[in-house]
Amino acid sequence: SQTIHQWPATLVQPVGSPLSLECTVEGTSNPNLYWYRQAAGRGLQLLFYSVGIGQISSEVPQNLSASRPQDRQFILSSKKLLLSDSGFYLCAWSVWTGDGKLFFGSGTQLSVL
Amino acid sequence: GENVEQHPSTLSVQEGDSAVIKCTYSDSASNYFPWYKQELGKGPQLIIDIRSNVGEKKDQRIAVTLNKTAKHFSLHITETQPEDSAVYFCAASILRGANDYKLSFGAGTTVTVRA
Repeated sequence: SQTIHQWPATLVQPVGSPLSLECTVEGTSNPNLYWYRQAAGRGLQLLFYSVGIGQISSEVPQNLSASRPQDRQFILSSKKLLLSDSGFYLCAWSVWTGDGKLFFGSGTQLSVL
Repeated sequence: GENVEQHPSTLSVQEGDSAVIKCTYSDSASNYFPWYKQELGKGPQLIIDIRSNVGEKKDQRIAVTLNKTAKHFSLHITETQPEDSAVYFCAASILRGANDYKLSFGAGTTVTVRA
């Protein structure tokens, strides 16, 4: 069966520090991968998605970037965090042949202070 | 692009009563409609989905209905229990072909089941 791992679960970082969140998927090949952000009490905002290694699409302009160095690894990064980067970050995957069904990771609660 | 509206934003029900969440979508080409449940501090989990060639789908205490003409779909939870308390998200997707789709999410409904 397929599983998705996301870490760390919580992270407290000072303003201006770098960020690296990692997500890996097991049990499937060539998945589509996604990063979502969720502000407190708010909905799901798609940040990035990837249909293959090295292929990244950005949905909104921001202080973040994403990379996909391996088929089942997706990384969210920032060189200098802003207060507004605080939120709950979710990695997700879907089958590349696509029926639209998304499977989410457990999330990372990021607090930028 | 697709716009999904979800109502109500909060819903409080007595244990054992039913809960109904409604969503509307804008793009008539949308053909896949999943519902997700998110418990506090966790990622959303798919609980039920429906495709446009089906009007209703049921899985134990939860059911989803779809009205393509009116472009709305609803989640029904019967005999609510405290563990049903969570945030629920609806979504709509346009499936244009293999690997060509995108989910648009509603803003979420916070459901509280009172014991």
